Amino acid sequence: EAGVAQSPRYKIIEKRQSVAFWCNPISGHATLYWYQQILGQGPKLLIQFQNNGVVDDSQLPKDRFSAERLKGVDSTLKIQPAKLEDSAVYLCASSSRIQDTEAFFGQGTRLTVV
Amino acid sequence: GNSVTQMEGPVTLSEEAFLTINCTYTATGYPSLFWYVQYPGEGLQLLLKATKADDKGSNKGFEATYRKETTSFHLEKGSVQVSDSAVYFCALSDLTNAGKSTFGDGTTLTVKP
Repeated sequence: EAGVAQSPRYKIIEKRQSVAFWCNPISGHATLYWYQQILGQGPKLLIQFQNNGVVDDSQLPKDRFSAERLKGVDSTLKIQPAKLEDSAVYLCASSSRIQDTEAFFGQGTRLTVV
Repeated sequence: GNSVTQMEGPVTLSEEAFLTINCTYTATGYPSLFWYVQYPGEGLQLLLKATKADDKGSNKGFEATYRKETTSFHLEKGSVQVSDSAVYFCALSDLTNAGKSTFGDGTTLTVKP
């Protein structure tokens, strides 16, 4: 079974630039998550999709971050414009259903904003 | 809101030593509890889980018991190996909040030969 695919693996941008991350979840997984993991901290949920609908985006900074999951499969997360404090690893995860099941994580995209 | 608190690291042990990493949580309702592990250069992966009180999750020699009375889910292993060196994250999933997951800040374990 193929895992969660993310790209790019690394990205360096200047502040005020834009960046986009892509995630392809495990086939058939209805639930997709984007997490932000700042160095030395645990992952923090940014947004959760169930199929192509948003379940929770309460911690997404909506003035600069946006995410979509067209057709309920692939997802993109965008930051525009980026700030220095956005430097982090952005993790995508998927699970077959919402409740109490294992989430499978991609390897993440390491973003550095300079 | 929900929260997870892990013992602060880093933790350094000699091979074959006993490991305990403490984890306590605060949550409404009855969350499911998880331990995830992140090996160097790799993504997060599930190590073990427990979905209700008194359940014991186990995998690769690691164990953790869901203790509702103490709101804890401590990770233990009787004899660690060098290959267990990794970052360990305790997490909960809250069914009353659409399965939203909350993670601790992680504990870095280094096992020396």
